[in-house]
Amino acid sequence: GAVVSQHPSWVICKSGTSVKIECRSLDFQATTMFWYRQFPKQSLMLMATSNEGSKATYEQGVEKDKFLINHASLTLSTLTVTSAHPEDSSFYICSARVLAGGPGDTQYFGPGTRLTVL
Amino acid sequence: EDQVTQSPEALRLQEGESSSLNCSYTVSGLRGLFWYRQDPGKGPEFLFTLYSAGEEKEKERLKATLTKKESFLHITAPKPEDSATYLCAVPDRAGNMLTFGGGTRLMVKP
Repeated sequence: GAVVSQHPSWVICKSGTSVKIECRSLDFQATTMFWYRQFPKQSLMLMATSNEGSKATYEQGVEKDKFLINHASLTLSTLTVTSAHPEDSSFYICSARVLAGGPGDTQYFGPGTRLTVL
Repeated sequence: EDQVTQSPEALRLQEGESSSLNCSYTVSGLRGLFWYRQDPGKGPEFLFTLYSAGEEKEKERLKATLTKKESFLHITAPKPEDSATYLCAVPDRAGNMLTFGGGTRLMVKP
């Protein structure tokens, strides 16, 4: 149980184009999903917290107009990287918190999406 | 501000050589401590959640323990497939932001 999927697993795009990444909780409902990015040999950096049916909360330094997040249902959140540039190339990982209501609830992570912007 | 420190940064073991990974934490009220395993190019895989001092959890060759200041991940008779980076993390008050340790990169040689 508690499986999170991401699609696509990798994507290569040209500079200036937009890319959408999907994150799905397959066997549980998640009111809250999270988006992280990870650079090589570094720890995960939280980009934003996404709550179903409301606007995402972005961490300091993350451009909300560049990284558009939509959480339309209890099982799906999307991250759109708009007008991508080479510096946006990274490993993007989503996580979902099991719907149970407590701050100690486990976050389950997706397999990640490798974005390469040429 | 919550702080999590993992040691060692890297650990090389021979197959069958048991050892422990350390995760020291400073938080304003522990709301849980998570252990994850991350393989290269993949997202973290959930291993354990510990909530209170004295708690222990086991899964195959792994055993996680928790005290008021630190957590240990004990690996018994590791195999090469246990090679990965092991991460520990604590959630903030709202259970949103996870503060991660720097990770321990474990390499088990046959």
